[in-house]
Order: sequence, then C-alpha cells, then structure tokens
Amino acid sequence: EAGVAQSPRYKIIEKRQSVAFWCNPISGHATLYWYQQILGQGPKLLIQFQNNGVVDDSQLPKDRFSAERLKGVDSTLKIQPAKLEDSAVYLCASSFSRIEAFFGQGTRLTVV
Amino acid sequence: GESVGLHLPTLSVQEGDNSIINCAYSNSASDYFIWYKQESGKGPQFIIDIRSNMDKRQGQRVTVLLNKTVKHLSLQIAATQPGDSAVYFCAERRGSYDKVIFGPGTSLSVIP
Repeated sequence: EAGVAQSPRYKIIEKRQSVAFWCNPISGHATLYWYQQILGQGPKLLIQFQNNGVVDDSQLPKDRFSAERLKGVDSTLKIQPAKLEDSAVYLCASSFSRIEAFFGQGTRLTVV
Repeated sequence: GESVGLHLPTLSVQEGDNSIINCAYSNSASDYFIWYKQESGKGPQFIIDIRSNMDKRQGQRVTVLLNKTVKHLSLQIAATQPGDSAVYFCAERRGSYDKVIFGPGTSLSVIP
C-alpha cells in the first residue's frame, strides 16, 4: 500500500514570500490532517478535513494560512505571507474511520 | 489549550534493557490514547493505542499502561534495541471527528 505523499521535501523562502505544500493521502482515507512541527516539539494540528469539508481549523492562523482539499483527495496548504516563526516541518496525515493516522515524511520549511 | 511541549526530555538505555517512557495528559474527555514513534527525518509512526476504559494493553515488545486517576500514560519497551532509538510522542484522540492532539516527546537513545 502506498503511503502518504508530500512535496516538496524541503523549501527555503524569504519572509513575506508565499509557499504551498501538497499532500496526496492514502487512497480511500476520508480524514486528512495537516500538522505543524516546530523543532523539539510535538506536532500541532492546524486543520482537519473529513472528505472535502473542514471539521477543525481552530489552530490555523487564518490571516496567513489557508488549506483546501480537492474533491476529497489531494490537499494543499498555503502560507502567505510567511514569517520567520513559520519555520517548521509541515506534516500531512490521513486515516480511514477510527484506524490510526498515517503520516507522510513532511516538508521542512525554512523562512529566512 | 492544546498540549504542546517546549522541552524534549532524553532517556538513555542500554541495549537489551527495558525502557519506560512516561506522559501526563490533561483532558479527561479523550477516548483513546496513542503512542507514536518518530525517527529523524520521518513522520510519526503509530505504535499502539489504548481505549480510555482500559488500563493496560500489550503489543509486540511494547506495553501501554493508563492510569486515569493521575492522568498518566506510560510506554514500556521490552529488550530495547538500537532500532528503537527515536522520539516518542503520546497523543490523545477525542471528539466525534477523531481529533489527534500530541503531547511533548521523549527522545530515547539506545546504547549498544
């Protein structure tokens, strides 16, 4: 079974620029999560989709972050404009029903 | 607020010894507790979970103990191997949409 695919693996941008991350979940997984993981910390949930609808975005900084899930499959997370404190690994995960979430390798973002 | 770690405790164990990793949680409404393993450069990987109405669950070389009285969770790894070296996170799953909230991690280092 193919895992969760994320791209790019690494990205370096200057502050105030914009950036987008892409995630392709495991086929058939209705739930998709985006997490932000700052170095030395546990992942923090940014947004959760059930099919193509948002069920939780309480910790998403909506003034600069946006996310969408196309046709209930792929998802993109965008940051515009980026700040230095956005430097982190952005993890995408998917799950089917109440089975455990499967994580991608993440995108490491560095904002300089 | 959500559980977010600011420090990363480290546990060093000799190869072949048993490891015990501890975690305190805050929300009594969680219905599942989960342990994840994260190796360098990879996303978290599910190890084992335990339902909130249980106090012990065993897997292959791992045992999770849940003490709801003191809101404490532990992961025991038997006969620790070098491949067990990683950061371990406890997480809580709650709500009708299975929101997964991560706690602070513990870095496990196995000494050959």
